[in-house]
Amino acid sequence: AQSVTQPDIHITVSEGASLELRCNYSYGATPYLFWYVQSPGQGLQLLLKYFSGDTLVQGIKGFEAEFKRSQSSFNLRKPSVHWSDAAEYFCAVGSGGYNKLIFGAGTRLAVHP
Amino acid sequence: NAGVTQTPKFQVLKTGQSMTLQCAQDMNHEYMSWYRQDPGMGLRLIHYSVGAGITDQGEVPNGYNVSRSTTEDFPLRLLSAAPSQTSVYFCASSYSTQGPTYEQYFGPGTRLTVT
Repeated sequence: AQSVTQPDIHITVSEGASLELRCNYSYGATPYLFWYVQSPGQGLQLLLKYFSGDTLVQGIKGFEAEFKRSQSSFNLRKPSVHWSDAAEYFCAVGSGGYNKLIFGAGTRLAVHP
Repeated sequence: NAGVTQTPKFQVLKTGQSMTLQCAQDMNHEYMSWYRQDPGMGLRLIHYSVGAGITDQGEVPNGYNVSRSTTEDFPLRLLSAAPSQTSVYFCASSYSTQGPTYEQYFGPGTRLTVT
């Protein structure tokens, strides 16, 4: 069965520092991969997605992610974090048919001034 | 477009009560889903629908019913609320092109507390 692992439950970075959030997936075929962000008390917003093609994907708010098939990973990165990036981040993989998504447990990001 | 809308935003129920969470979308998406979000567990799929009149169970369906009489609406019914159903509930819709796209458009969520 497909699964998504986000190894880091909480991460704290200083404003202006670089960020990498880890995501590992389990899926037999070429995966459809997503990163969503949830600000406190809000719904989920799509940051970026990977279906095929270039393995480095650009998203909104200055985020990017790199698909590495050999490592079954889809890590999210940002070169310089802003205080407004404090949120919870979810990695997800498309599962089978019917447009179902399997989500990781999430990583909560705190940003120190 | 309003996108995906959910009502109510907040709800408190007593154990044993029933209620319906409403979800509507105006994007003509054929797929709709209900997820629950609990701390440390991400989002888990409760039920989903691939079109009007067609629904199926997700990962955690017990205690919930759904129906889809129109493309736009996908209500979630709690039959007899239990404290374990205290959670944040998200409705989502998605579309397909020549195959599944998997990209979910989420509503703002309903925060449910069962006492």
